[in-house]
Amino acid sequence: DAKTTQPNSMESNEEEPVHLPCNHSTISGTDYIHWYRQLPSQGPEYVIHGLTSNVNNRMASLAIAEDRKSSTLILHRATLRDAAVYYCILIYFGNEKLTFGTGTRLTIIP
Amino acid sequence: EAQVTQNPRYLITVTGKKLTVTCSQNMNHEYMSWYRQDPGLGLRQIYYSMNVEVTDKGDVPEGYKVSRKEKRNFPLILESPSPNQTSLYFCASSPLAGVGSGELFFGEGSRLTVL
Repeated sequence: DAKTTQPNSMESNEEEPVHLPCNHSTISGTDYIHWYRQLPSQGPEYVIHGLTSNVNNRMASLAIAEDRKSSTLILHRATLRDAAVYYCILIYFGNEKLTFGTGTRLTIIP
Repeated sequence: EAQVTQNPRYLITVTGKKLTVTCSQNMNHEYMSWYRQDPGLGLRQIYYSMNVEVTDKGDVPEGYKVSRKEKRNFPLILESPSPNQTSLYFCASSPLAGVGSGELFFGEGSRLTVL
């Protein structure tokens, strides 16, 4: 299975943009790039996903490198409620076996 | 409200006493899955189900059983719990049998302690 590499932790100031990187050098052509986050004492929640093109939704933006070997989750204006563990995972369409890894713990500084 | 519901949310039990953690979704999703979360190990998949009567092992299936007799329910069964099954458990569902382009919806978690 293709693996992802994320920094263990990051800090950002409140109301500033946050760029969370993810490396996936062994990604295959049919792997979707998904981001989830887990707030304290809650289950993971979906943030965004993409295949090749950059994606935007109400929560975040996903920037995918042209060679697809890396991606960046962008929170445009971090709030204290964005403090969470963020997981970048690759999901092959039709592959039901998922591996989340340990993610990036994002701390927001007031 | 669309949701994945797990019960119980908290449970303390003793070694060897069979228990079942229930999971129910009201979104008519085909795909359901169980994960356990342990400090430093992230989320690991236990079992998953593509549809009714179709289940398969994830990365850490030992000591667990599942069944999918109805589309909405996917119970996790610990026939003879042991202390190394003390963990936080999450159930998830997805509208697509292949989850690549779909969104996973997670329950709130069930914290299990086995003494």
